Amino acid sequence: DAGVIQSPRHEVTEMGQEVTLRCKPISGHNSLFWYRQTMMRGLELLIYFNNNVPIDDSGMPEDRFSAKMPNASFSTLKIQPSEPRDSAVYFCASSRDGGNQPQHFGDGTRLSIL
Amino acid sequence: GEDVEQSLFLSVREGDSSVINCTYTDSSSTYLYWYKQEPGAGLQLLTYIFSNMDMKQDQRLTVLLNKKDKHLSLRIADTQTGDSAIYFCAEGSSASKIIFGSGTRLSIRP
Repeated sequence: DAGVIQSPRHEVTEMGQEVTLRCKPISGHNSLFWYRQTMMRGLELLIYFNNNVPIDDSGMPEDRFSAKMPNASFSTLKIQPSEPRDSAVYFCASSRDGGNQPQHFGDGTRLSIL
Repeated sequence: GEDVEQSLFLSVREGDSSVINCTYTDSSSTYLYWYKQEPGAGLQLLTYIFSNMDMKQDQRLTVLLNKKDKHLSLRIADTQTGDSAIYFCAEGSSASKIIFGSGTRLSIRP
């Protein structure tokens, strides 16, 4: 079975540019989570969706960040405009039902903003 | 609020047992998890335990849960160099999300 698929694996771009990260959850999973991981702050939950609806976006750092889930098999995390402090590894995870089921992680997108 | 705490580093000799400890605060947690992250990779689910269990064993891994003290541990028997990684403890909260600890970096010395 395919796991959570994220793209791109690596992204290097200049500050001010728009960045779009993509995620395909595991088929049949109805919860999707976006995380950010840095050395300084560790693993942070940015936003999560249940049945394509955003449930908690309190972890989204600023209005420059937005996330969408147009259907059950696709989600995007967008940063516009990007800044050097956004450099991090961004993970997407999915599960059958939030905290009552284990989350399965993608391999992450390593983002570098110059 | 909900919180999960674990020590940042652990160093063990190859062949010894590793014990990684974790404390959590949400007494209503249904599941407690251990994830492993190798360099450059995502978090891989290692094992998990239901909150009404005291112990779960899976090959070299043993999970112990003390619900009264809200203490969870992961024991890795016969630790190998391939076990070097960051290990995250996590609790499934009542708010349909998982709360992760900061991770314990396990290093293996010869």
